[in-house]
Parts: sequence; C-alpha cells; structure tokens
Amino acid sequence: SQQGEEDPQALSIQEGENATMNCSYKTSINNLQWYRQNSGRGLVHLILIRSNEREKHSGRLRVTLDTSKKSSSLLITASRAADTASYFCATGSNYKLTFGKGTLLTVNP
Amino acid sequence: GAVVSQHPSRVICKSGTSVKIECRSLDFQATTMFWYRQFPKQSLMLMATSNEGSKATYEQGVEKDKFLINHASLTLSTLTVTSAHPEDSSFYICSAIPPTGPRGAFFGQGTRLTVV
Repeated sequence: SQQGEEDPQALSIQEGENATMNCSYKTSINNLQWYRQNSGRGLVHLILIRSNEREKHSGRLRVTLDTSKKSSSLLITASRAADTASYFCATGSNYKLTFGKGTLLTVNP
Repeated sequence: GAVVSQHPSRVICKSGTSVKIECRSLDFQATTMFWYRQFPKQSLMLMATSNEGSKATYEQGVEKDKFLINHASLTLSTLTVTSAHPEDSSFYICSAIPPTGPRGAFFGQGTRLTVV
C-alpha cells in the first residue's frame, strides 16, 4: 500500500518564519492531499494537488509535487502561533486514504 | 462547508464492556464513511470502510467481530468496540466525502477512548 512519509518529524520555528514540510510516497498516485490536525482533534483538509500539477497555492500555503521523485512539499509562509499543529500528507484512491507519519509544527510567538 | 460530527468526543469504559461511537454527516449524504484509528503521536491507520446498506470492508489485521460497523442510513455510521480491553484505548476518527464540492475528505472531531 502507499505510504506517505513526512520529514521532519518535528519542526519548531518563530512566528513570521516560513515552515517547510516534505512528504515522500512509494507508488503511483492520482493526487496527494495535505491535512492538518490540532492536538486531540479531527483532521482538516488543506489542499489537494493532482498528479499532473506541479504547484498549487492556497492563501499562505504552497504545495509542490514532484512525481518523478515521488515527493511533495508543503510550505507555510509567514507562520502564526495558530499554525501550531500536526500536518499529514495522504495518498489513496476513492478517498481510502493512507497517511504519512506527520510533522509536528510548533510556531513560537 | 460539509460537516461531519462524531460523538462522543471522549469516553472512559471498563474492560469487557462495549462502546458505540457515532459518525454523522450533517449536511450531505454519505454512502461511504471511513473509520481510522490513531495512537499517540502516530499517524492515522484505516480500519474499515463503512458502506451504507451493506457490510463494512475491513483492512487487514482489523478484527471485524471486535469492531462492529453499522451504516444504516446515508448520514450515520456507528463503530462499536466490543469487549473492550486497555489495548483498544486509542483515538478513533471517522471521515466522509461529500458527493459535490471541493475534493477532500471531511473528518469528525475524533473520539478518545480510554479502557480501564
């Protein structure tokens, strides 16, 4: 089965800085999604990038996809303390999602 | 936007008892819902796919007799953890996909189950 693996596992930055998280996967995909999870809560869908797309933006989020390297990155610009959460990439079909291990992002005020 | 509601958010039960967790799609019909399990500081693992009007599809290694899933209507799926043991303590999350609108799954708030 497909498995997304994020790195770093944990990232601590200051407010205003940019945060970059990476995700690698093993098999061919139709799309890749990024989700956010606040501690002890459900997941919130952030962005979906299709396999024929290389970059996508949504507000302060920028996602890239390199299918030749089977990797994706999530960039959060001008981070805020409220961005503190775990971020997961997910792959799959028919929304039977396989999640990566996640990156715990801490944004210090 | 689409809302998926999960109840309860926290539950503590004694070993040997059963616990039912509900997952509701509040503003759309979901023929398929998904149940995940998440251990502390780990990723989500898909347990089963809940299909309205038919049997659930379980992932390898998930005991179907222990984790009973019922999807009796287009807006409700339930997960019952039967004869719970302390090792069943975990965070359980459901998801559903609206038939229209932006792609992406919508998740419930999750249920923290503690078996004592």
